[in-house]
Amino acid sequence: QKEVEQNSGPLSVPEGAIASLNCTYSDRGSQSFFWYRQYSGKSPELIMSIYSNGDKEDGRFTAQLNKASQYVSLLIRDSQPSDSATYLCAVKRNAGNMLTFGGGTRLMVKP
Amino acid sequence: KAGVTQTPRYLIKTRGQQVTLSCSPISGHRSVSWYQQTPGQGLQFLFEYFSETQRNKGNFPGRFSGRQFSNSRSEMNVSTLELGDSALYLCASSLQGGDQPQHFGDGTRLSIL
Repeated sequence: QKEVEQNSGPLSVPEGAIASLNCTYSDRGSQSFFWYRQYSGKSPELIMSIYSNGDKEDGRFTAQLNKASQYVSLLIRDSQPSDSATYLCAVKRNAGNMLTFGGGTRLMVKP
Repeated sequence: KAGVTQTPRYLIKTRGQQVTLSCSPISGHRSVSWYQQTPGQGLQFLFEYFSETQRNKGNFPGRFSGRQFSNSRSEMNVSTLELGDSALYLCASSLQGGDQPQHFGDGTRLSIL
């Protein structure tokens, strides 16, 4: 079992719809959770961080964390074609600075 | 504020050679981490430096090494290159670590012939 699991996709949604991306993790000591977006041929770009249970909203993005279920999700509202990218979930213990990444979910937003 | 700067952007080497990659973190960031990204293995942690000391190390062979200078700039070195070392090498910086997010540079794409 991988430490951080994501559905590889592709997840295809129409423009304007809500895209829902999911991630599960196995290390119960994980305390910090991040979502990165990576366009093809580019480096990962941080879009959200979340540290406590519940929802955190930033513009069109909402991150959700449930530590009891070891589950993190990212919702993208009003999806745009420019959101088409691979979304990487990363988790970290606060002791140390090692990010453990999932394999990423490829999102395709169709006009 | 300038982002994380990695040089060079592209490198082509042959098996058995060695290579040094450079990373300048965001101004004020003291933690520098290195990652390897390949299509098969995804993003994997190599090591992290903070205040010129290696603080964490991933599961890579000793051919992979690094260092950090007093200005927080970091280098990583790979010796005796193998075909499987072909990858995108990413550097990320953060203020100190803990719960602070890491910001990535554009990466160095290393190709081994």
